[in-house]
Amino acid sequence: DAGVTQSPTHLIKTRGQQVTLRCSPKSGHDTVSWYQQALGQGPQFIFQYYEEEERQRGNFPDRFSGHQFPNYSSELNVNALLLGDSALYLCASTGGALRRPNYGYTFGSGTRLTVV
Amino acid sequence: AQSVTQLDSQVPVFEEAPVELRCNYSSSVSVYLFWYVQYPNQGLQLLLKYLSGSTLVKGINGFEAEFNKSQTSFHLRKPSVHISDTAEYFCAVTKGASGGSYIPTFGRGTSLIVHP
Repeated sequence: DAGVTQSPTHLIKTRGQQVTLRCSPKSGHDTVSWYQQALGQGPQFIFQYYEEEERQRGNFPDRFSGHQFPNYSSELNVNALLLGDSALYLCASTGGALRRPNYGYTFGSGTRLTVV
Repeated sequence: AQSVTQLDSQVPVFEEAPVELRCNYSSSVSVYLFWYVQYPNQGLQLLLKYLSGSTLVKGINGFEAEFNKSQTSFHLRKPSVHISDTAEYFCAVTKGASGGSYIPTFGRGTSLIVHP
């Protein structure tokens, strides 16, 4: 049973560029969340997608946007990259989080984004 | 809103010694509590969770945690650690049966370093 799959694993971008990160949730999960984990910090919630809509959003600027596809996979887009956007970006999936208590998320291994 | 404080950024311990990683939470509503582990260059893996019922929760890899409502704590323990337990440990909280958000809020993490 495949878990959460993220691509690419590593990425180097230049300031001002745009980046797209991809996530395939665990089989049977329909809700995808994205987190940013800066070095030495805990994961910070960016947003959550369910039924192809952004349902909740953390304290991140509009430069961060996303999308969820009919097969539940998701993309995270970041525009106008800043040096401070360098971090590990984690995708987490769960099933129907909005309608049932959260029994724990399944995380991917993340995409390491470096902005130079 | 819920919040989590992990009181120790780093905990060094010798192999086969017991360990306790401390976590305190803040919430005006009932909560669900989680511990995750992150090995180097990997995503987060769920260790254990407290939803309701017995306040002593047992998880994977010999870890356990005790929910203490009066002290708003959820400390993680293991009676005898192994070198392979060296990792980053994160405490997380979501709302419980009512109020607040199901989105997990993470602490800053505690680095467990097991010495031979």
